[in-house]
Amino acid sequence: NAGVMQNPRHLVRRRGQEARLRCSPMKGHSHVYWYRQLPEEGLKFMVYLQKENIIDESGMPKERFSAEFPKEGPSILRIQQVVRGDSAAYFCASSLRVHYEQYFGPGTRLTVT
Amino acid sequence: AQKITQTQPGMFVQEKEAVTLDCTYDTSDPSYGLFWYKQPSSGEMIFLIYQGSYDQQNATEGRYSLNFQKARKSANLVISASQLGDSAMYFCAMREGTGANSKLTFGKGITLSVRP
Repeated sequence: NAGVMQNPRHLVRRRGQEARLRCSPMKGHSHVYWYRQLPEEGLKFMVYLQKENIIDESGMPKERFSAEFPKEGPSILRIQQVVRGDSAAYFCASSLRVHYEQYFGPGTRLTVT
Repeated sequence: AQKITQTQPGMFVQEKEAVTLDCTYDTSDPSYGLFWYKQPSSGEMIFLIYQGSYDQQNATEGRYSLNFQKARKSANLVISASQLGDSAMYFCAMREGTGANSKLTFGKGITLSVRP
């Protein structure tokens, strides 16, 4: 059973470009969570999605960030007009049901130059 | 107030010895879950162990055990018989409530170095 997949593993963007991060949850998991980790920090919650629905986006910046989890295909975290402060590791996690253990993907390391 | 506090800046342990990593939490919700994750230098987050607030016994998973002291609001991770591969960052996390809120709140982490 494959784990949570994230791609790309590393992404370099210039200021003002768009970043698209993809997450495929574990097989059978319909709950997806996105977290951001700044250097030397713990992970900070961004958004929680189930298939086609955003359940909790309380950790998402109000502008430039959006997330989706379509009926078919991976979950996408999109960052428009990236700035240097967006440089971080972005982790996706999935769980079988709400309140079950969350299993994390390997992360996408975004660098904004 | 911080919801998860991990104050140990860095820990060192001799190979084959046991080590305790501290975690205190703050919540007013009677229902919550506590998690520990390991992050090696390669960067992935590895789930280690879970303790529910209503669990009567301390959780154990192989060499990992959780010393859950509810009145003190502490959930320390104990690693027995340390191995060199245990060198990593360790994060304590909490999930509060039983409704749709299932996000995890993480502490800042503790660095563990295992000496040969």
